[in-house]
This record gives sequence, C-alpha cells and structure tokens, in this order.
Amino acid sequence: DQQVKQNSPSLSVQEGRISILNCDYTNSMFDYFLWYKKYPAEGPTFLISISSIKDKNEDGRFTVFLNKSAKHLSLHIVPSQPGDSAVYFCAASIAGGTSYGKLTFGQGTILTVHP
Amino acid sequence: DAGITQSPRHKVTETGTPVTLRCHQTENHRYMYWYRQDPGHGLRLIHYSYGVKDTDKGEVSDGYSVSRSKTEDFLLTLESATSSQTSVYFCAIRLAATYEQYFGPGTRLTVT
Repeated sequence: DQQVKQNSPSLSVQEGRISILNCDYTNSMFDYFLWYKKYPAEGPTFLISISSIKDKNEDGRFTVFLNKSAKHLSLHIVPSQPGDSAVYFCAASIAGGTSYGKLTFGQGTILTVHP
Repeated sequence: DAGITQSPRHKVTETGTPVTLRCHQTENHRYMYWYRQDPGHGLRLIHYSYGVKDTDKGEVSDGYSVSRSKTEDFLLTLESATSSQTSVYFCAIRLAATYEQYFGPGTRLTVT
C-alpha cells in the first residue's frame, strides 16, 4: 500500500519555465511534508517542507503548496534551470513523539530541464 | 553537510554471506535511519534508532538487523545476503525538534 504517490515518473521542462511536481497521499495522519532532490550517485538533499497548518511555503525559486482536503501537494520551481535536473522525492511524516520522525517517500519524479 | 559518512561506498558480495554497512556521524544526533532506494519504490525505511541501543523496525526490515552501541555509529547488517537486497542504501540523521532528515552519500550493494 503506497501511502505517498508521485504518479508522474518524469517531467521535461524548458529552461526559464515553471516546473510543477505533484504528490498525493492517502494517510490522513500525515501532517508534515518535505521535498528532496537527488542527483545520481549522491544522497538526497532536503529542499523545502510544509506543515499541515499552512497551505504554502516559499523559499527562493521553490514553493510548496498543500491541499489537505485533496491530500495533494505540489512543488513549483520558477524559473527552472538546467541544474535543477534531478530526481525529486516527496515525503510525509506524522508529528508526535511516537512516530520518531519517520518519513514515507513517494517513488520520485525525474525532472529534466532543457537549455 | 550534516557530517554523515557511509562505508563502504561500494560492495559486491555473494549470496549467503553476511554484510555490514556502517553509518558514522560527527554531530551527536539522536535519531538515525537506514533506507534502501530501488527503482519504482523511492526510499523505504529499513530500521531506525532513537538513541544508543534504542532501535526499531521500519517498513522493509526482514533480513536486516541493526545495532547502535554509541551515538555516532549506526550499523546495518544483512545476516545472509540475497539478490533481492541488491540496492543503494542510505543512512540519515534527523535534526532535533524538526522533521528534516539529512542523508549520507549512500552505499551501492550488489549481491551476486
């Protein structure tokens, strides 16, 4: 049972345009969401996060939107740059001490930004 | 950079042999995690630790054991490696009072 799903395995975007990566979740207990970026042969790197008490969080070119009623979040990258080409993972966590901060990841989306 | 190293970075081993992967951190983080990454599955949690000698199972723990005898080291052991355990293994730490995890560079394990 995949509790966090990224239904688009890949996305191709032109440099300077917007990239939109999507993520859906099924577990209503999730209340903290994160996006990671991964280059080949490296570990994932943290990009941006959002708590369920918010519907938007922005950090430079990256904005994450959360729609709790739809159990959907998205990552917007504007403007997209060739260096953004990587695999992007969304992840979810349940707040509270007994969860120990465990993350549940989606399958990943390969973003390719063309010059 | 959260001061996380993993060793070895690459390993090829035969089916049935034991294998131990090491995760080392230098910043005294309490929480540590082991994940495996496979195509089509993203990252899946194998085991995690919330302190010295305090560990618990994750989503895909069968065939794996862990130990944490000191804060800085979290060991993942495959008691008898199988081809299904061919994967890339990542260790992560969590910063206190956040949900953000920071990952090591990974270990690519091939079981032949």
